[in-house]
Amino acid sequence: ILNVEQSPQSLHVQEGDSTNFTCSFPSSNFYALHWYRWETAKSPEALFVMTLNGDEKKKGRISATLNTKEGYSYLYIKGSQPEDSATYLCAFPGANNLFFGTGTRLTVIP
Amino acid sequence: DSGVTQTPKHLITATGQRVTLRCSPRSGDLSVYWYQQSLDQGLQFLIQYYNGEERAKGNILERFSAQQFPDLHSELNLSSLELGDSALYFCASSVATEYEQFFGPGTRLTVL
Repeated sequence: ILNVEQSPQSLHVQEGDSTNFTCSFPSSNFYALHWYRWETAKSPEALFVMTLNGDEKKKGRISATLNTKEGYSYLYIKGSQPEDSATYLCAFPGANNLFFGTGTRLTVIP
Repeated sequence: DSGVTQTPKHLITATGQRVTLRCSPRSGDLSVYWYQQSLDQGLQFLIQYYNGEERAKGNILERFSAQQFPDLHSELNLSSLELGDSALYFCASSVATEYEQFFGPGTRLTVL
């Protein structure tokens, strides 16, 4: 079992604020890191798959960076909107499995 | 729409019974994964199949089993059901383990 940790566990921000959260993962035998967004009453949806150290990916106001040597990834949300409220999961592939972190639950207050 | 379908959407049954949940992966995806989400819990990996063969097992109880058929759809069988088995069961598919997973809408199982 691989240890994938996310912090903070939950976060409340005001609409318009920018925010970021962290995913920590084992730095050895790395080959990919996934970010998923999971809205209440829906299914998880893939945001990014990151594979290279120093990778930076962007989708609209959401971006992510990757540091494989120190074993962490940051997810940034610029100008948070109420529709960004969701749980953000990172996941680390093992040999034949994807180990999910427990997620960061983001609430954006209008 | 992720392209992954799951049936049924809801299932209500009694303790001691057996149920089968069905999943059809996205076209072209060979890997199928099953997850359980109990109340206030995260995603718990149950089992993975790749092109018909079991690839990985997670926290799957002995009362539970799964299989992937030649047409790549998968079924999760839950038997001797207990109240604690009430949960949302997700199926996901991907091209391979390192690629992003696409999740189905889930099956809500309620055991009374």
